[in-house]
Amino acid sequence: GAGVSQSPSNKVTEKGKDVELRCDPISGHTALYWYRQRLGQGLEFLIYFQGNSAPDKSGLPSDRFSAERTGESVSTLTIQRTQQEDSAVYLCASSLERGGRGKNIQYFGAGTRLSVL
Amino acid sequence: AQTVTQSQPEMSVQEAETVTLSCTYDTSESDYYLFWYKQPPSRQMILVIRQEAYKQQNATENRFSVNFQKAAKSFSLKISDSQLGDAAMYFCAYRSGGTSYGKLTFGQGTILTVHP
Repeated sequence: GAGVSQSPSNKVTEKGKDVELRCDPISGHTALYWYRQRLGQGLEFLIYFQGNSAPDKSGLPSDRFSAERTGESVSTLTIQRTQQEDSAVYLCASSLERGGRGKNIQYFGAGTRLSVL
Repeated sequence: AQTVTQSQPEMSVQEAETVTLSCTYDTSESDYYLFWYKQPPSRQMILVIRQEAYKQQNATENRFSVNFQKAAKSFSLKISDSQLGDAAMYFCAYRSGGTSYGKLTFGQGTILTVHP
C-alpha cells in the first residue's frame, strides 16, 4: 500500500480480555516497529523486527505483550488479559533498510486507540 | 540509556511569525541521528526534519530549520512564517547510529498552537 496501515482504528475492550492489533507496513520495508503512546505523552518503544533477525523485544512492558511478524509483511501485536493501564494509542512504523550509514526514515501509521474499561 | 527532554509542554505563535521549540538529549554515543516529528490530531507521525550528528551543518527543510549544538546536546526546531497547518504536537527523537535501523527514543512533546 501507499502507507502504513493499522487496524482497527479504535478498539474498546473489557479488562481481562485479549486484543490483537494489526499493522501492514509499506511494501518492501524490512524493518517494523511498535510504539505505545499514553495520553499526552511521548512514544515508548515496544518491539521491532528487522528482516530475518531475532526481534528486539526490549521495550515490551510485561509478558502479557507479544508480537509476531510474517516475513516482511503484516505484524500483529497481542495484549493478553488487558488492564486499564494498557489504554493508549499503539503506533506502528516501518522503514527500508539501506546499506551504509543509516538514512532510513520511519513512516508511521495512524495508530490504534485502545480503551480498556 | 539515552533520554530526550522537551521542556516546553505548550507553545503558541501568531501566524507568519517565528517560533522555536527546544529539545535536549543525553547520550554517551558519538554517532546518532536526531529527528523532529509532527503529530496532528489525525495521530499520524510525520517527519519534519532530520540531523546526522556527524554533520556540523544545521539541517533545513523549507520553513523548518534546526539549531544543533552537539557539545551542549541541544537540538531546537525553528519554524519560520508559521502557518495554521503547523499546529500540532511536535516530538524530538533520537536514534543510535552505526546501523540503518533502530528504535527511536522520544521526548514528551510540545503542543504548538498557531493563532490567526
